[in-house]
Amino acid sequence: QQQVKQSPQSLIVQKGGISIINCAYENTAFDYFPWYQQFPGKGPALLIAIRPDVSEKKEGRFTISFNKSAKQFSLHIMDSQPGDSATYFCAAAPSNNFNKFYFGSGTKLNVKP
Amino acid sequence: EAQVTQNPRYLITVTGKKLTVTCSQNMNHEYMSWYRQDPGLGLRQIYYSMNVEVTDKGDVPEGYKVSRKEKRNFPLILESPSPNQTSLYFCASSLMSPIYNEQFFGPGTRLTVL
Repeated sequence: QQQVKQSPQSLIVQKGGISIINCAYENTAFDYFPWYQQFPGKGPALLIAIRPDVSEKKEGRFTISFNKSAKQFSLHIMDSQPGDSATYFCAAAPSNNFNKFYFGSGTKLNVKP
Repeated sequence: EAQVTQNPRYLITVTGKKLTVTCSQNMNHEYMSWYRQDPGLGLRQIYYSMNVEVTDKGDVPEGYKVSRKEKRNFPLILESPSPNQTSLYFCASSLMSPIYNEQFFGPGTRLTVL
């Protein structure tokens, strides 16, 4: 059973548009929520991460929004570019064991020129 | 260059033939971990290690073994591979705890078990 549910499975966005990827979880022990970006043929790379003490974190064009009560978090990519085309994974780690990571199923983003 | 290396990158084998996938990092990282990536399932953690001789199970450890005899190496062992272990495998490492330090992933090993 997937502990972190991610949607959509795939996403097509026009250049300059906003890409939004959503994740939801049930385990209230989760206390660390990273997003990873993966290009074809490569390993994932950390993009941005958030702890539940803040509701939003922004790094450049990438923003994580976090809703603790709804147990949901999302990645927003502003001014999406063709170079952003990749697979994105959300993940979570519990406070009682930050060494264990649970990933979502991934979202394949295609940004059209 | 700081990196995580995996060997082999591609492997086709048969059911029951023991194999080892090696992982090595040159960043003096304490934490290392193995994941498998399958379509529609994302990445699932197999085993992780907090330091030499300290390993623990991830979410899907069945059918796998690991060892951490040296800080830089964290091999993944499949003693009797089965077709359901056909997958893309990633090794990752980070300095100390992976929530305070970025996990760096290797390039992946694509394993096919016939």
